[in-house]
Amino acid sequence: ELKVEQNPLFLSMQEGKNYTIYCNYSTTSDRLYWYRQDPGKSLESLFVLLSNGAVKQEGRLMASLDTKARLSTLHITAAVHDLSATYFCAVGPVYNTDKLIFGTGTRLQVFP
Amino acid sequence: ETGVTQTPRHLVMGMTNKKSLKCEQHLGHNAMYWYKQSAKKPLELMFVYNFKEQTENNSVPSRFSPECPNSSHLFLHLHTLQPEDSALYLCASSQASRQGRAGELFFGEGSRLTVL
Repeated sequence: ELKVEQNPLFLSMQEGKNYTIYCNYSTTSDRLYWYRQDPGKSLESLFVLLSNGAVKQEGRLMASLDTKARLSTLHITAAVHDLSATYFCAVGPVYNTDKLIFGTGTRLQVFP
Repeated sequence: ETGVTQTPRHLVMGMTNKKSLKCEQHLGHNAMYWYKQSAKKPLELMFVYNFKEQTENNSVPSRFSPECPNSSHLFLHLHTLQPEDSALYLCASSQASRQGRAGELFFGEGSRLTVL
């Protein structure tokens, strides 16, 4: 059974600071996605990572994937308040093509 | 209208009621999903439909009954629910490969269900 763990679960950071959210998973995968969820809202797709070494950047967010280490990171550069949200990674196991298994989420709060 | 739309957005029901959640996708996708999001728990996959065929039932109690009449519409029929079923129910769609490999998911706004 695929397990997906994110850490930290909660992150409170000051504006202008950098930080990284980690997503570890327990079995072979070739698809990893990052989503953002604002309170009371649905999930918004941020990044799609489909190969080892993939790196994608959008604004102050950068995601990377290391399939050998079974690890993805979401790096936040010079955080701003608008980035406050919950961030989820989701992993597609090779053995079950239908599923995407979500991590527990990282709730990010950026304060002045 | 674009994207994935869900109705109703909020639903309050008693344990003996029967209700349905509706999802419609306007993205031309061939796969649709129901997820359950409870407080302090990861998103739980409930059902998957690829090309209108149910391919996944993730040990969901029979009081939840999905229906997928075509590739654009997905329903979740609810009856004799329990208070612990109160949650946000999210519908999603994706463009799955011919082998059924799920692609990037696009989510609806969710239906917030409260069972009294």
